[in-house]
Amino acid sequence: EAGVAQSPRYKIIEKRQSVAFWCNPISGHATLYWYQQILGQGPKLLIQFQNNGVVDDSQLPKDRFSAERLKGVDSTLKIQPAKLEDSAVYLCASSTRVSGRSYEQYFGPGTRLTVT
Amino acid sequence: GDSVTQMEGPVTLSEEAFLTINCTYTATGYPSLFWYVQYPGEGLQLLLKATKADDKGSNKGFEATYRKETTSFHLEKGSVQVSDSAVYFCALSGGYTGGFKTIFGAGTRLFVKA
Repeated sequence: EAGVAQSPRYKIIEKRQSVAFWCNPISGHATLYWYQQILGQGPKLLIQFQNNGVVDDSQLPKDRFSAERLKGVDSTLKIQPAKLEDSAVYLCASSTRVSGRSYEQYFGPGTRLTVT
Repeated sequence: GDSVTQMEGPVTLSEEAFLTINCTYTATGYPSLFWYVQYPGEGLQLLLKATKADDKGSNKGFEATYRKETTSFHLEKGSVQVSDSAVYFCALSGGYTGGFKTIFGAGTRLFVKA
């Protein structure tokens, strides 16, 4: 079974530029998550999709971040314009269940973003 | 809101030493508890989980027991190997005030020396 795919693995941009990350979840997983992991911290949920609908985007900085999941499969996360504090690893994860207390999330390798 | 606190790292041990990584949580309701591990250059992967009080999760020689009375979920292993060097994250999900999202601790980096 193929895992969660993400691209690119690394990205360096200047502040005020835009950037996009792509994620392809495990086949059949209805739920997709984007996390931001700042160095030395645990992952923080940015947005959660169920199929192509948003379940939770309460921690997404909507003035600069946007995400979509067309056709309920792969997803893109965009930052426009980027700030220095956006430097982090962006993790995508997927799971089979929408809710419930014991579901396992499967993570991709992440995209390391450096904003200079 | 819900939160997870884990011991700061790095933790450095010699091979075959005993490992404990402390994790405590704050949550309302009846959350599930997890330990995820992140090896260098890889994404997080689930190590073990427990869904109710007094449950013990175990995998690859690692164990953790869900202690509701002390709101803890400490990770233990009797004899660590060099290959266990990684970052370990304690997490919870299903807490009412967390909106049922998964909340991660800051992570504890483990170095095991040969």
